[in-house]
Amino acid sequence: DADVTQTPRNRITKTGKRIMLECSQTKGHDRMYWYRQDPGLGLRLIYYSFDVKDINKGEISDGYSVSRQAQAKFSLSLESAIPNQTALYFCATSDSVEQFFGPGTRLTVL
Amino acid sequence: AQKITQTQPGMFVQEKEAVTLDCTYDTSDPSYGLFWYKQPSSGEMIFLIYQGSYDQQNATEGRYSLNFQKARKSANLVISASQLGDSAMYFCAMTPVSHGSSNTGKLIFGQGTTLQVKP
Repeated sequence: DADVTQTPRNRITKTGKRIMLECSQTKGHDRMYWYRQDPGLGLRLIYYSFDVKDINKGEISDGYSVSRQAQAKFSLSLESAIPNQTALYFCATSDSVEQFFGPGTRLTVL
Repeated sequence: AQKITQTQPGMFVQEKEAVTLDCTYDTSDPSYGLFWYKQPSSGEMIFLIYQGSYDQQNATEGRYSLNFQKARKSANLVISASQLGDSAMYFCAMTPVSHGSSNTGKLIFGQGTTLQVKP
């Protein structure tokens, strides 16, 4: 079984809809991250969390919110999706330096 | 501010030859880590190799080696004996490394280099 899982893997939604992307990990790591990847660009950090009570904004947090429900779960929400949020979204976990990535969620906002 | 620059949008290499993918970085942090990730067309991010800024030797992992030149702020990835399965996007990334709670672990990525291996 994969150490970091993301659901859904693919999602098509419409402008204005609320959508949640979920991430679960079995690695026992405290640190979790959400990144976004646009075509031709590297990954950019949206939010990160060091534990259930610690949430921090990343480079591009506008339009997004997160919830750390438990050590193993970190969800990303788009309250009102817009087309320029169409991207590949990655969750990652870490206990020190190396980060372990989930398989990604491909989100399309029409 | 930290920044990663990958100046090669696309590269071609003949199968079985070696190839070097360039990465330069800018940081004021005294201690940092440098990563290379591979992203095949399927989309997942695959960790390849890690170099700590205070490591005395260049990192190697199988066919991958990292040519780390600290004074020049470069961390080039060398892939030896290229294989068709090496065709992918490659990303260089950096994170500051410090002890204690100030170590965020946030990764800063370059824009990537697309490598195509020709048979």
